[in-house]
Amino acid sequence: SQQGEEDPQALSIQEGENATMNCSYKTSINNLQWYRQNSGRGLVHLILIRSNEREKHSGRLRVTLDTSKKSSSLLITASRAADTASYFCAGGTSYGKLTFGQGTILTVHP
Amino acid sequence: DAGVIQSPRHEVTEMGQEVTLRCKPISGHNSLFWYRQTMMRGLELLIYFNNNVPIDDSGMPEDRFSAKMPNASFSTLKIQPSEPRDSAVYFCASSTLGGQQETQYFGPGTRLLVL
Repeated sequence: SQQGEEDPQALSIQEGENATMNCSYKTSINNLQWYRQNSGRGLVHLILIRSNEREKHSGRLRVTLDTSKKSSSLLITASRAADTASYFCAGGTSYGKLTFGQGTILTVHP
Repeated sequence: DAGVIQSPRHEVTEMGQEVTLRCKPISGHNSLFWYRQTMMRGLELLIYFNNNVPIDDSGMPEDRFSAKMPNASFSTLKIQPSEPRDSAVYFCASSTLGGQQETQYFGPGTRLLVL
């Protein structure tokens, strides 16, 4: 079963707008990670937030984690056409195992 | 760094044939993961190794699937016999378990089509 459930399944925005994707998970995690996948390519790690953290920033990315609600969000600010991709959240255990969600397809129109 | 290397990149085979997928993890990484991605089921973890030892193979769909990691720099995923429902993109990923960042580095994938 998938650990994370992303919402929305698909998101279409204009360049310059912000994109927010949400993720819910079911079991206990050690960390929550977000990955990006361009069509036909492998996944690329974006950012990791640990279970004892609430917010983390990396460039145009902002991730929040609410362990009481078992949810996380990924915000991409000032989106660009090159941000068009699928975005996956993944719950990580202390053993290094990741369980991925179904992903959000983001389309940024120029 | 070369990154995670997978071969072949594309494989087309007929039902009943044996398929072997190969993976070379990033040098120095001690964990290796095999995933399968389909439209219907998303990204599924099949098996993962730590220090060349299989830790969790609960995701392996059935006995037709087997994986080995004879040394730290090489792993194989074998399907014998293959079936059309095995058609998918298979990813290999590696990481450094126990480090500060348990991020996984993915290879480009092997796109398998079983006719």
